[in-house]
Amino acid sequence: TQLLEQSPQFLSIQEGENLTVYCNSSSVFSSLQWYRQEPGEGPVLLVTVVTGGEVKKLKRLTFQFGDARKDSSLHITAAQPGDTGLYLCAGTGTASKLTFGTGTRLQVTL
Amino acid sequence: ETGVTQTPRHLVMGMTNKKSLKCEQHLGHNAMYWYKQSAKKPLELMFVYSLEERVENNSVPSRFSPECPNSSHLFLHLHTLQPEDSALYLCASSQDYPAATYEQYFGPGTRLTVT
Repeated sequence: TQLLEQSPQFLSIQEGENLTVYCNSSSVFSSLQWYRQEPGEGPVLLVTVVTGGEVKKLKRLTFQFGDARKDSSLHITAAQPGDTGLYLCAGTGTASKLTFGTGTRLQVTL
Repeated sequence: ETGVTQTPRHLVMGMTNKKSLKCEQHLGHNAMYWYKQSAKKPLELMFVYSLEERVENNSVPSRFSPECPNSSHLFLHLHTLQPEDSALYLCASSQDYPAATYEQYFGPGTRLTVT
């Protein structure tokens, strides 16, 4: 079974701060996705990374896929209250199975 | 209506009740999914339908019974549930199967409480 562990589990920060959340595994994934789930809603896909070492930027969000394709990080610059939500990573492993991580719950306050 | 809709949004049921969750997608997709989201646990894939045929059943207890009458609708029939089945049940759809290749679009979920 391929597992994805996310850290931290919970993060509470003030508006304007920077933060990084991590998604780690002992398994290799062919690609990795990041989702954000806002309260009362389903997850929404933010980005997919497919190449080891790849970096993708989405406005204030920077996503990186580890060189060995076992881990990923999400960095948010100058967090805003609208960034509040549950951040999920999901990796594509053997037999094209998608495995979700445990999630990081982010709260950004004014 | 656009995207993926789910009804009801909230459901409280006793252990002896029978109820059904409904999902409808307005995206013209061919694949539909049921997921279970519990606190502090990863999202668990329960069932996958592709072109109205079940293609994945991930060791889900028989008290959960899916039904896909057409490519736009997906149901999850519930009977004699246990308190540990209380969770958020999410429906998703994608253009085709598998989920790892095609972007999934999720509904808002049904919050189920079993008393």
